Amino acid sequence: ETGVTQTPRHLVMGMTNKKSLKCEQHLGHNAMYWYKQSAKKPLELMFVYNFKEQTENNSVPSRFSPECPNSSHLFLHLHTLQPEDSALYLCASSQERDFTDTQYFGPGTRLTVL
Amino acid sequence: AQRVTQPEKLLSVFKGAPVELKCNYSYSGSPELFWYVQYSRQRLQLLLRHISRESIKGFTADLNKGETSFHLKKPFAQEEDSAMYYCALTETSGSRLTFGEGTQLTVNP
Repeated sequence: ETGVTQTPRHLVMGMTNKKSLKCEQHLGHNAMYWYKQSAKKPLELMFVYNFKEQTENNSVPSRFSPECPNSSHLFLHLHTLQPEDSALYLCASSQERDFTDTQYFGPGTRLTVL
Repeated sequence: AQRVTQPEKLLSVFKGAPVELKCNYSYSGSPELFWYVQYSRQRLQLLLRHISRESIKGFTADLNKGETSFHLKKPFAQEEDSAMYYCALTETSGSRLTFGEGTQLTVNP
């Protein structure tokens, strides 16, 4: 598959569970991003990675833990989440870590925390 | 701080009518602005960016620095334009991207 892929597409988890979201980009980009999209709120940038190095953590709680083993893969590890963390989590990539570059988005993972 | 405001959460027009989706921003420097679109069951994607001064799918947007606006316009709306539209801003150094809350456009037959 081309572009940016995300798995799983839907996830339901309890507050004590540990789960991971996966993102993969097939575009040869150097920068990858995690966004959170909650109902009735703007898209919120969570993390930015450039050449596998985290360059931005937008005051995200430690129960969200990102991992970027290489420029093509990005994970978001989740543990002891709260119901208010239920949202659509979007992964994106761009050629460079420069927000003037076009962002290419994945389809998202719809997360529900019970 | 950067801020993007899309005052209309919902906008409904008839096919063939003109449409304008409003976007206002607050930023003291020199901004670069974008419109992203999300069609039903599709992923978020770039529609256009002001620096390109292009028209995509009949849509245009002009940056008005005096009014700090970047409204998206199309003279004759089509049903396939129904989607969620997000205005976004970054500074020219590209160090941060801020999205508005989005406007759901519905074009009725």
